[in-house]
Amino acid sequence: DTAVSQTPKYLVTQMGNDKSIKCEQNLGHDTMYWYKQDSKKFLKIMFSYNNKELIINETVPNRFSPKSPDKAHLNLHINSLELGDSAVYFCASSQGGTEQQYFGPGTRLTVT
Amino acid sequence: GNSVTQMEGPVTLSEEAFLTINCTYTATGYPSLFWYVQYPGEGLQLLLKATKADDKGSNKGFEATYRKETTSFHLEKGSVQVSDSAVYFCALSNAGNNRKLIWGLGTSLAVNP
Repeated sequence: DTAVSQTPKYLVTQMGNDKSIKCEQNLGHDTMYWYKQDSKKFLKIMFSYNNKELIINETVPNRFSPKSPDKAHLNLHINSLELGDSAVYFCASSQGGTEQQYFGPGTRLTVT
Repeated sequence: GNSVTQMEGPVTLSEEAFLTINCTYTATGYPSLFWYVQYPGEGLQLLLKATKADDKGSNKGFEATYRKETTSFHLEKGSVQVSDSAVYFCALSNAGNNRKLIWGLGTSLAVNP
């Protein structure tokens, strides 16, 4: 049973397109996150939701919009994709304030 | 503010060599400290953690001790294996920080047979 799953695993698309990445966790956690990892492995927090409420919204272009339909799901929609959006996007979840985060396998987005 | 500084990689070792990856932090109060590992093509997973000063986290032969006096949480392993090749991230979590982990830049480790 996969704890944190993401779809799709790979996404190749052209500049200007709109795409979505989906994330689901079956751990019963109350907090979910989106991270962006660049080619140098630098990990940057983008968003976090706690009980469906947005609690972290880092400096991210407003082309990126997260949506949390329920505690177990956090989706990421990206409008007007740009070359610089190419990266691996990770979803993660946690329970409580300082507990460990559980990561999904990542979605490798390539914008051509 | 809170920050984490890790030694830069890549680190290349031969099998059975001793590993140290340095991590120092800046934080107010009493953060929890973590080491995460990312194997090739996978997401990050928790390797070990420590929640208070002088705690030692350990897992899979790796150890790290929470040193408040030196604000450090160095990762060590006595004898690395090829299967330890991965990227290692040091991170801290501070109460009242909106559940945000503060991440180091990651250190890539390659172990050669």
